[in-house]
Amino acid sequence: QVQLVESGGGLVKPGGSLRLSCAASGFTFSDYYMSWIRQAPGKGLEWLSYISGRSGYTNSADSVKGRFTISRDNAKNSVYLQMDSLRAEDTAVYYCARGLRPSDYWGQGTLVTVSS
Amino acid sequence: DIQMTQSPSSLSASVGERVTITCQASQDISNFLSWYQQKPGKAPKLLIYDASNLGAGVPSRFSGSGSGTDFTFTISSLLPEDIATYYCQQCDSLPTFGGGTKVEIK
Repeated sequence: QVQLVESGGGLVKPGGSLRLSCAASGFTFSDYYMSWIRQAPGKGLEWLSYISGRSGYTNSADSVKGRFTISRDNAKNSVYLQMDSLRAEDTAVYYCARGLRPSDYWGQGTLVTVSS
Repeated sequence: DIQMTQSPSSLSASVGERVTITCQASQDISNFLSWYQQKPGKAPKLLIYDASNLGAGVPSRFSGSGSGTDFTFTISSLLPEDIATYYCQQCDSLPTFGGGTKVEIK
């Protein structure tokens, strides 16, 4: 069955960096776009970035463009989110999801807290 | 960016009642609209894609309709396990979500 497991979250100081990982299993990973979405505490969902399956084409929301970078390693069935210049407002649960139209499977999320 | 206006932001309904949520896009998105259900502390779950197609294993009491800019999500007969927050999402261009609708039991 399809499984997505995020890791790499934690507490980081403002201005710091963090790299999130999402390990996928149960499907042919390279056939699918992958996305990252976040949810601040008590708030709604915010889509962040997506990456295509084979060409590695990416696109990101303006709120994170230039600070967050999505990448993937099809040999390791993993997608990553490199987060730099973190701000307090980046505090959220970060989800990876399979697909773009639609995102049909989601991981359980990993919490990122940006605080001094 | 395409803005998604979802309403209402919350609603209270009785078990067995019909529940309707609407979502309006700021521009034509054809049928590139999905609906998700999120229960507290859990990841969102896909319910409807391409405006009206039921996701895998999703009960038939859930349905969606619409195209262009106006979309509707319906629970035909509310059950206690449907208590959740529901989100629409457009995926015509850079994906964006509606603000969510929290559904409670009256």
